[in-house]
Amino acid sequence: GQNIDQPTEMTATEGAIVQINCTYQTSGFNGLFWYQQHAGEAPTFLSYNVLDGLEEKGRFSSFLSRSKGYSYLLLKELQMKDSASYLCAVMDSNYQLIWGAGTKLIIKP
Amino acid sequence: IAGITQAPTSQILAAGRRMTLRCTQDMRHNAMYWYRQDLGLGLRLIHYSNTAGTTGKGEVPDGYSVSRANTDDFPLTLASAVPSQTSVYFCASSSTSSDTQYFGPGTRLTVL
Repeated sequence: GQNIDQPTEMTATEGAIVQINCTYQTSGFNGLFWYQQHAGEAPTFLSYNVLDGLEEKGRFSSFLSRSKGYSYLLLKELQMKDSASYLCAVMDSNYQLIWGAGTKLIIKP
Repeated sequence: IAGITQAPTSQILAAGRRMTLRCTQDMRHNAMYWYRQDLGLGLRLIHYSNTAGTTGKGEVPDGYSVSRANTDDFPLTLASAVPSQTSVYFCASSSTSSDTQYFGPGTRLTVL
C-alpha cells in the first residue's frame, strides 16, 4: 500500500527553527509537495521537490532524499502566523497525490 | 482574479437527499479534482478530470459522481447523502495532471 508518515503535532517558539519530517512509501514517485493549511482554510502550496537536495524559498526550505523516501520542511525565524498544519504529499506513478495526515505546528511566544 | 470558487460554503443536509457541490475555476487549468478532508486523515481523492470531457475515479468514489462538460466547471453530486459523507470538500485544479494543484476555499457538508 501507499503511505505517508508525518508527526501529528509539534510545538516551537517564536523566532526559532523547526523541522517537520515526512517519510513515504508510494507506487512510483513524480515529486513531493508541501502545503500549508490554516485552520478552517484551504491548503496553499509551499514547495515542490523532484530531485534530491534542498530547495530554499525565503524562510522556508524543503529537502528530499529519494533513496531514503524522506523529506523535511524547515521553517526559520518562526512567526506566530506560521501556526498551521503542514501537509506532505507525494505524486505517484499515476500522477495522483497521496497525502499525509498533516502536522499541526503550534508556535508559542 | 478569483482562482477557484466553491459553493455553497457550508450546508446541512438530511440523509437521503441529493446534493451538488459546485466548483468553478478561471485559470484555464486542464485538470480538476475533488477531495474530502476528515479529522486525522489526509486528503482523499474522490474523482478527478485530466481534461474537459473526461473523468476518473479516485480513492473514495462510492456515493459520488462528477461531470466535466467544459474547462471551467467540475460539479460533484451526492445522489443520496449518508452521514458518513459529512466532511469538508475541497476542489482543486492544476495546469496539467503533473503540475501543482491549487485549492478552492472548501465546502463544509453535514449530513444528518
